[in-house]
Amino acid sequence: SQQGEEDPQALSIQEGENATMNCSYKTSINNLQWYRQNSGRGLVHLILIRSNEREKHSGRLRVTLDTSKKSSSLLITASRAADTASYFCATDNPETSGSRLTFGEGTQLTVNP
Amino acid sequence: KAGVTQTPRYLIKTRGQQVTLSCSPISGHRSVSWYQQTPGQGLQFLFEYFSETQRNKGNFPGRFSGRQFSNSRSEMNVSTLELGDSALYLCASNPQGSLHGYTFGSGTRLTVV
Repeated sequence: SQQGEEDPQALSIQEGENATMNCSYKTSINNLQWYRQNSGRGLVHLILIRSNEREKHSGRLRVTLDTSKKSSSLLITASRAADTASYFCATDNPETSGSRLTFGEGTQLTVNP
Repeated sequence: KAGVTQTPRYLIKTRGQQVTLSCSPISGHRSVSWYQQTPGQGLQFLFEYFSETQRNKGNFPGRFSGRQFSNSRSEMNVSTLELGDSALYLCASNPQGSLHGYTFGSGTRLTVV
């Protein structure tokens, strides 16, 4: 079963608008990562935020992390049609040995030109 | 540098058959993980290999198995295929541990008929 829950499940906006996606998780984490997936393709790593960080930026992406609420948000500013994809958060549990990501259910973002 | 290579891209198998999927990680990456993605269950962790040893295993039946070779290439095998095994199987490589983002392959789309 998925640890994370993301909302909204689907988001439709106009080009140039900002898109915000939220993710909640249940266990303690080493870090939280965001990935993008274009239809039926592999996942592309976007950004990683460590458990001791609160905010991180990368280009048009801004990620926040609130470990007290076990939640994170991904903001995409000035969206483009090419941003249309599914976005997933993934967490890494420090109580699990090795590398193992637990994914959220994903948000389907549609950016209309 | 070359990305993560998964072969084949598409596969159609009959119930009861077995299948082997291959993954070549990024050169130098020692950790290889496998994930199953279905519309109903989302992205689920199968197993992780590091230096030819299975370091982590998800909640999948014993029909799902894998191995890693000395060159870090990995294979996963599914025996006695069921219709529910139809999914996108994704392989991810990572330098070591989960302090870095993962690089995913494009996946193998398996259809069981």
